[in-house]
Amino acid sequence: NAGVTQTPKFRVLKTGQSMTLLCAQDMNHEYMYWYRQDPGMGLRLIHYSVGEGTTAKGEVPDGYNVSRLKKQNFLLGLESAAPSQTSVYFCASSQDQRSGANVLTFGAGSRLTVL
Amino acid sequence: AQSVTQPDIHITVSEGASLELRCNYSYGATPYLFWYVQSPGQGLQLLLKYFSGDTLVQGIKGFEAEFKRSQSSFNLRKPSVHWSDAAEYFCAVGALTGGGNKLTFGTGTQLKVEL
Repeated sequence: NAGVTQTPKFRVLKTGQSMTLLCAQDMNHEYMYWYRQDPGMGLRLIHYSVGEGTTAKGEVPDGYNVSRLKKQNFLLGLESAAPSQTSVYFCASSQDQRSGANVLTFGAGSRLTVL
Repeated sequence: AQSVTQPDIHITVSEGASLELRCNYSYGATPYLFWYVQSPGQGLQLLLKYFSGDTLVQGIKGFEAEFKRSQSSFNLRKPSVHWSDAAEYFCAVGALTGGGNKLTFGTGTQLKVEL
């Protein structure tokens, strides 16, 4: 049981380049999330999805786009990377977002460096 | 909006000593509270959660946490720390909002264990 899988694990980009991070979950979870983690700032929610074909903005959505074409996949895109987007990105999924008792399962993270 | 404060950025304890990591939250209703642990290079793993009922909750790896409504706190404790507990610990609060459930994380406490 793989849980939540993120690819790639590491990536180096030049300013202005584009890329996509892929998140795949095999738990049939309805809800998926993208967070970024920066030193001293904890985890901040970028975008999330409450189901296939739906997405919504989180706390820090600017500069990112997402898509959820299939229930098991949640893609995070950077159209024109900036050094401020250097971070570790975590994908997570959960079974029931309608309750505050919402337990997230996290992927191992994707470390992105923008030069 | 909810918020979480972890006042200790770094904590160092000797192996075998007791541990307490502080977490204070701000939320207008009954909170759903979580502690997650992140080992180096890994994703976040759920240690324990509080939804309702008994205010002392037990988690994995011998950790426990106590919900104190009067102090808006949810401190994490362990009676005897092992070297393998060295990691970063995140407190989080979950709550329903108009756009669905959101988890808000604290900035984390880095635990170092001296042998």
